[in-house]
Amino acid sequence: GAVVSQHPSRVICKSGTSVKIECRSLDFQATTMFWYRQFPKQSLMLMATSNEGSKATYEQGVEKDKFLINHASLTLSTLTVTSAHPEDSSFYICSASTRGIGNQPQHFGDGTRLSIL
Amino acid sequence: DAKTTQPTSMDCAEGRAANLPCNHSTISGNEYVYWYRQIHSQGPQYIIHGLKNNETNEMASLIITEDRKSSTLILPHATLRDTAVYYCIVLTQGGSEKLVFGKGTKLTVNP
Repeated sequence: GAVVSQHPSRVICKSGTSVKIECRSLDFQATTMFWYRQFPKQSLMLMATSNEGSKATYEQGVEKDKFLINHASLTLSTLTVTSAHPEDSSFYICSASTRGIGNQPQHFGDGTRLSIL
Repeated sequence: DAKTTQPTSMDCAEGRAANLPCNHSTISGNEYVYWYRQIHSQGPQYIIHGLKNNETNEMASLIITEDRKSSTLILPHATLRDTAVYYCIVLTQGGSEKLVFGKGTKLTVNP
């Protein structure tokens, strides 16, 4: 089945640090990648949608200058949390899909647990 | 907002079938029903999806009522590893459309 790899799985860093998270589709070309965030005991909330070669579309309330998304190739998207603060501590999860015939599902990475001290 | 309604939690004995219901009474004719699950501290895992016919794969079966207003995900022989939150989501375009996660059903498989 389709595999999405997310790295790193866990990050602990000081307040003010910028953190980059990578999301890779290992065995398919991902024309669309999604970034979600999940706080404890809550459901996943979509942050942004990125299409290869174009700017990401952010959900309402998500700061695009704080959460930088790059989707430069069909197998890689990155999320950079700039100047992270404790309130940015969360579980960040990416998913990937490919446009095409049929309704192929999104496949998710295993998430990155970000802890800001 | 999520367009589905699911029970908050369910319990199932190991080895028995787990039947998870989902109501989607406002589903449109071109919307599919997707099921994902999330095991604690992991990313969601795709299980199965369908439009109007019943579907089966190596993980589960999906039974969709004739009026398409509800569906049931069936795990035929639940194991302890099936303990997870199960999400029922309706989508038009599948992979290219954003997923709106509701609260899902917390399934606990007991030994």
